[in-house]
Amino acid sequence: QKEVEQNSGPLSVPEGAIASLNCTYSDRGSQSFFWYRQYSGKSPELIMFIYSNGDKEDGRFTAQLNKASQYVSLLIRDSQPSDSATYLCAVNIFSSGSARQLTFGSGTQLTVLP
Amino acid sequence: DGGITQSPKYLFRKEGQNVTLSCEQNLNHDAMYWYRQDPGQGLRLIYYSQIVNDFQKGDIAEGYSVSREKKESFPLTVTSAQKNPTAFYLCASSGTGPDTQYFGPGTRLTVL
Repeated sequence: QKEVEQNSGPLSVPEGAIASLNCTYSDRGSQSFFWYRQYSGKSPELIMFIYSNGDKEDGRFTAQLNKASQYVSLLIRDSQPSDSATYLCAVNIFSSGSARQLTFGSGTQLTVLP
Repeated sequence: DGGITQSPKYLFRKEGQNVTLSCEQNLNHDAMYWYRQDPGQGLRLIYYSQIVNDFQKGDIAEGYSVSREKKESFPLTVTSAQKNPTAFYLCASSGTGPDTQYFGPGTRLTVL
């Protein structure tokens, strides 16, 4: 069983719509959750992190965390073509033996259609 | 400007050669990491270091070696024992905050 799972996509949404990206994780002890954006051929860049249950908003981005159901999601409002990228979910998995390690999902490819 | 630098951007290796990828950071971060990314896949941890002169194997350490002689530097050597080294290699670092990692621009390694 994969420790962090994401739908690989591709996910296509029209410009101006809300894009919803989902991620589930296996370790109930996980406490830190991250979303990274990766453009083709580039390195990942941090979009948001969330530690507490509920929603966290930053501009057009909202991260949602539900520890009971072991999922974290990212909503992108008013999607723009420049949001087209692969979005990586990363989770602190304590089973890895260190509090400083992250386990990454395989990413969801998002395409925003003009 | 603070950040993480990796060099070279592109690297070509002949079979049987060892090559070393450079990673430097001026963020004063304690922890540094090396990941490998294959096409269409997520990041897999090769090695990490939480303090100078100490490092730990990640999930796919076989065929790789590292050193951490300075806080700012964490070079990765891809040895000839790594049978399929063609990949995108990413270096990251994190500070005293909980787990947030920041990435360098990456090195794309190709075996000829």
